[in-house]
Amino acid sequence: DADVTQTPRNRITKTGKRIMLECSQTKGHDRMYWYRQDPGLGLRLIYYSFDVKDINKGEISDGYSVSRQAQAKFSLSLESAIPNQTALYFCATSDFAGGYNEQFFGPGTRLTVL
Amino acid sequence: RKEVEQDPGPFNVPEGATVAFNCTYSNSASQSFFWYRQDCRKEPKLLMSVYSSGNEDGRFTAQLNRASQYISLLIRDSKLSDSATYLCVVNRNTGGFKTIFGAGTRLFVKA
Repeated sequence: DADVTQTPRNRITKTGKRIMLECSQTKGHDRMYWYRQDPGLGLRLIYYSFDVKDINKGEISDGYSVSRQAQAKFSLSLESAIPNQTALYFCATSDFAGGYNEQFFGPGTRLTVL
Repeated sequence: RKEVEQDPGPFNVPEGATVAFNCTYSNSASQSFFWYRQDCRKEPKLLMSVYSSGNEDGRFTAQLNRASQYISLLIRDSKLSDSATYLCVVNRNTGGFKTIFGAGTRLFVKA
């Protein structure tokens, strides 16, 4: 079984709809992250959480919110989806052994907003 | 200017070639450095962490030059299976946590 799972894997929705993307991990890591990837721009950090009660904005948090329900679960919400949120979304986890913060990624969610 | 910049690519090389990827970063407070590999439409996977002393793993060698704020990845004896996008990643924890991915360099290895 995969260590980091994301649901759904693909989603098509309409402008204005509320969408939730979910991420679960069995790696036992404290740190979890949400990224989006757009062609030519690389991965950009949306939100991150270093513990269950810790939520931090990343580079591009506008239009998104997150919830860290448990150590193993981190969900990303789009309250009112817009077409420029069409992207590939990745969840990742890490511990902080030796300060090196190596991240492990889920398989991604392809979101299309029409 | 982007905080992490990579060669735009793509690189097209024959099997057996040696190929070098370059990455520069602009913030001297950066603390940890990585190379990830990403296959088309798949998640990034860690290839190597990059240490100040340099490190090697089989055909792959990573180097860090803090003075020049430069990271490199060398692949020797390229295989068809090395075809992928290579991402440079830079982290820092001073002044708040930041993790920054380069846009990636696409590699095509041809028979």
